[in-house]
Amino acid sequence: ILNVEQSPQSLHVQEGDSTNFTCSFPSSNFYALHWYRWETAKSPEALFVMTLNGDEKKKGRISATLNTKEGYSYLYIKGSQPEDSATYLCAAIIQGAQKLVFGQGTRLTINP
Amino acid sequence: DAGITQSPRHKVTETGTPVTLRCHQTENHRYMYWYRQDPGHGLRLIHYSYGVKDTDKGEVSDGYSVSRSKTEDFLLTLESATSSQTSVYFCAISGGYHYEQYFGPGTRLTVT
Repeated sequence: ILNVEQSPQSLHVQEGDSTNFTCSFPSSNFYALHWYRWETAKSPEALFVMTLNGDEKKKGRISATLNTKEGYSYLYIKGSQPEDSATYLCAAIIQGAQKLVFGQGTRLTINP
Repeated sequence: DAGITQSPRHKVTETGTPVTLRCHQTENHRYMYWYRQDPGHGLRLIHYSYGVKDTDKGEVSDGYSVSRSKTEDFLLTLESATSSQTSVYFCAISGGYHYEQYFGPGTRLTVT
């Protein structure tokens, strides 16, 4: 069974600070890695989908990198704002599968 | 926003009663998924569908069944609800781009 781990489980950051967190996954038979942003009382929304080793994606102040050989991805948020407060989920999918396996998420709280 | 709805949005039911949750999409996407959200577990896959009448189990399928008789609808049935099935249930759809998922608004189910 594919096991996806995220760390830390929760994080408190001061407004204006930058932060990052990690998603780890098995590197064998890798197909794709997803990041989702999940605000309280809403539904998860896709941030990034990455497939290639060395991929780097950016959306505004949020960026992500992917290392498929060692099985990890980092999500970075630059200059955190209160609206960045959310749970960030990563999910991996292996070759031949049709379903994602989600990590437990990193809950980010931005303190004003 | 992806055209995906869930019904009902909230339901309270008694232990032992059958419950059916509906997911409806207007995107004509091939893949549909049912997840449950529980504290400390993130999102866990219950069942998914890769086409009309084609379904498969996820990691927490015990006590649940599904049906997909047409592309737009994916039904999740709890044959005899138990208190451990109290949760928020999310439906998701995917058109196949690396299985990127679009989530419905969720159904909060309470089993008393």
